Amino acid sequence: ETGVTQSPTHLIKTRGQQVTLRCSSQSGHNTVSWYQQALGQGPQFIFQYYREEENGRGNFPPRFSGLQFPNYSSELNVNALELDDSALYLCASSSSGAGEWETQYFGPGTRLLVL
Amino acid sequence: AQRVTQPEKLLSVFKGAPVELKCNYSYSGSPELFWYVQYSRQRLQLLLRHISRESIKGFTADLNKGETSFHLKKPFAQEEDSAMYYCALQGGSEKLVFGKGTKLTVNP
Repeated sequence: ETGVTQSPTHLIKTRGQQVTLRCSSQSGHNTVSWYQQALGQGPQFIFQYYREEENGRGNFPPRFSGLQFPNYSSELNVNALELDDSALYLCASSSSGAGEWETQYFGPGTRLLVL
Repeated sequence: AQRVTQPEKLLSVFKGAPVELKCNYSYSGSPELFWYVQYSRQRLQLLLRHISRESIKGFTADLNKGETSFHLKKPFAQEEDSAMYYCALQGGSEKLVFGKGTKLTVNP
């Protein structure tokens, strides 16, 4: 069984640029959630994708967008980067059943630095 | 609004001493509560969830709805328990709401 993987591990961008982060879900999982973890904070929910559709969104502006592909891998895109976007971005996958909540398995994260 | 509060940013105990990491939550319905742990240089992983009522690595947590708390306890701390611990809540949707975390250090 392959765990959740994320790429790249580290990334440096400048203000105003755009970035794409990638996540491969664990085998058998159809749900991917993205979290932002700023330094010294707990992870904060950005959005979730279930079977290629957005299935819930946290308090993040529209310049944070995502995709999920037929193989259930996912991308997080951030446009017009701001300094405050510097954080660790975590992806978590789970296998959702109707009316049940399954354990979310986290990837190692992508550390983004915006200069 | 859903909110999780972990009042202690840092907690330091000696090996063999009891440890309690505090977690309080705010949620109007019946939440699902979790403890996640992150060991040094490892990814975030689930330690336990309240509905399974398990004891993992000697840790237990009891949901107290009256006090809206879900404190994590272990009677005898070990050095390998040193890590960052996050309490998390899931209520009504599949998103997790995390606290800011408590860094536990177990001294020899």
